[in-house]
Amino acid sequence: DQQVKQNSPSLSVQEGRISILNCDYTNSMFDYFLWYKKYPAEGPTFLISISSIKDKNEDGRFTVFLNKSAKHLSLHIVPSQPGDSAVYFCAAVDNFNKFYFGSGTKLNVKP
Amino acid sequence: DGGITQSPKYLFRKEGQNVTLSCEQNLNHDAMYWYRQDPGQGLRLIYYSQIVNDFQKGDIAEGYSVSREKKESFPLTVTSAQKNPTAFYLCASKQKSSYEQYFGPGTRLTVT
Repeated sequence: DQQVKQNSPSLSVQEGRISILNCDYTNSMFDYFLWYKKYPAEGPTFLISISSIKDKNEDGRFTVFLNKSAKHLSLHIVPSQPGDSAVYFCAAVDNFNKFYFGSGTKLNVKP
Repeated sequence: DGGITQSPKYLFRKEGQNVTLSCEQNLNHDAMYWYRQDPGQGLRLIYYSQIVNDFQKGDIAEGYSVSREKKESFPLTVTSAQKNPTAFYLCASKQKSSYEQYFGPGTRLTVT
């Protein structure tokens, strides 16, 4: 049973607009959440993270929001650029340092 | 140049043969992880190790084995007992004090 879910397999956005990627989780004991970006045939690269005690973390064009009551995580990219086109995975970490990944959302930013 | 290396990038094997995938890191990270990615799916945890000479099963450990004799190395053996071994395999590592995992470039294993 998947504990981290990304229900949108793909998202298409115009360059310059906002991209919003969503992630839901079931385990309220997760300590930490991360977003990774992945290009085909490569390993994921870390993008941004948030502790379970916070509700927002911002890094340049990337902001992650955490809604603990809804068990929902989102990644906002503003403004979106064609180079942002990739698969984005959200991940959650439990207190045993075990990571749980969502199935990914493929973002396509159109020029 | 610090990082994680996985070799080879592409690997082909006949059904019934065991195969070992290499993962080496020079980041001095304590923990190492093996994941499997199938088309259209996320990363599923196979095994992980938080210290040398110790490792734990992940969600899909059946048909796989690992060893952690050195801090830098965490090889994964795909045995003939693994029913669907063809996949993209990713190795990752992290510091004990951090949540950020660093990933290798992956090995694509094809078993025919």
